[in-house]
Amino acid sequence: QQPVQSPQAVILREGEDAVINCSSSKALYSVHWYRQKHGEAPVFLMILLKGGEQKGHDKISASFNEKKQQSSLYLTASQLSYSGTYFCGTEGGSAGGTSYGKLTFGQGTILTVHP
Amino acid sequence: DVKVTQSSRYLVKRTGEKVFLECVQDMDHENMFWYRQDPGLGLRLIYFSYDVKMKEKGDIPEGYSVSREKKERFSLILESASTNQTSMYLCASSFLGQSDYNEQFFGPGTRLTVL
Repeated sequence: QQPVQSPQAVILREGEDAVINCSSSKALYSVHWYRQKHGEAPVFLMILLKGGEQKGHDKISASFNEKKQQSSLYLTASQLSYSGTYFCGTEGGSAGGTSYGKLTFGQGTILTVHP
Repeated sequence: DVKVTQSSRYLVKRTGEKVFLECVQDMDHENMFWYRQDPGLGLRLIYFSYDVKMKEKGDIPEGYSVSREKKERFSLILESASTNQTSMYLCASSFLGQSDYNEQFFGPGTRLTVL
């Protein structure tokens, strides 16, 4: 079952912040985040493991709440280059264990940043 | 630089034709994946393979088969193409393992149109 992402789309002005949420109905081992620019392949942003810490690089960070089976991606002081579709990919074997890299992706969140 | 390449960027086929989509990776990854991407549905897993000659069904395997005779190459086969298989097909690869190193690397995609 696909995780559910919200919102489906968000429009920002440069410098504004955004949060994208990813919610699963099953226990998770890890959550991946990817960004896909128009006409390009998805590119890995970060991975969050069960029991791990919040991660981030530059002005993009993410958290993982294992109990709620949710992850959130935080984009602060957005730049034009942040525009694209963001996907979460969840990994969850039996009872929340690893499935050795097999991911189930959400439907995507389209982020548009205007000058 | 990690490279995942796909045999064609654009492909047009007729209903009933047998279609082969090929994917090659140069990172010695154990895992390889085939997804289809449709607007509003995100990335849906068709098949994946964790070793040569090994394959597992993903979420939407009906109408597709796969072949992995060499570690670096993973082929997706549409035995008898139908119009509802018109889509963007993405190949990806990753290491096998329960660590934070199994990010997926994606190819550029093949846009398949079945007439």
